[in-house]
Amino acid sequence: DTGVSQDPRHKITKRGQNVTFRCDPISEHNRLYWYRQTLGQGPEFLTYFQNEAQLEKSRLLSDRFSAERPKGSFSTLEIQRTEQGDSAMYLCASSPIPGRETQYFGPGTRLLVL
Amino acid sequence: QKEVEQNSGPLSVPEGAIASLNCTYSDRGSQSFFWYRQYSGKSPELIMFIYSNGDKEDGRFTAQLNKASQYVSLLIRDSQPSDSATYLCAAGGTSYGKLTFGQGTILTVHP
Repeated sequence: DTGVSQDPRHKITKRGQNVTFRCDPISEHNRLYWYRQTLGQGPEFLTYFQNEAQLEKSRLLSDRFSAERPKGSFSTLEIQRTEQGDSAMYLCASSPIPGRETQYFGPGTRLLVL
Repeated sequence: QKEVEQNSGPLSVPEGAIASLNCTYSDRGSQSFFWYRQYSGKSPELIMFIYSNGDKEDGRFTAQLNKASQYVSLLIRDSQPSDSATYLCAAGGTSYGKLTFGQGTILTVHP
């Protein structure tokens, strides 16, 4: 049973560039979550998918952020026109059981915007 | 007021002692509670979850939940240097399963 995987693990970009991150959940987990974590803080919820449907978006997710899960398997998170404030660890988690929120995290993608 | 609050620490305990980590939450609708361990530069790793009032034990770890007081705790017995990490408390159950995390408590276990 492979865990949640994320790609890339690290990304350095210049302000104004677009970046895209990928998350592959644990096989057959139908719930997928994106969180963002900055230094010294706990993860903050960004968005949630059940299968291919995006069911909730945090107000933290500005118009520059978009997420997809086109076939209910992997998901992508795109940030357009990156800003220095976007520098953070972007975490993906998946969950297997409806009605329980036990979530398993991937290794994260660490983004640095210069 | 933050929805989930933890003492940021750092909490320092000697090897072999009991480490006690505390968490309070503000949303009475929260139904499930989780403790994650996070080593520096790594992602959160699930340690325990608890849904019902009372204690839940798993090896050296005991989670305690008191919904009336809106309080969750984690006890680590026989603490080891390898337990040194940030411990994150999270609450869920109010909206599509999203978790609300506290800011984490840094635990240091010294030999």
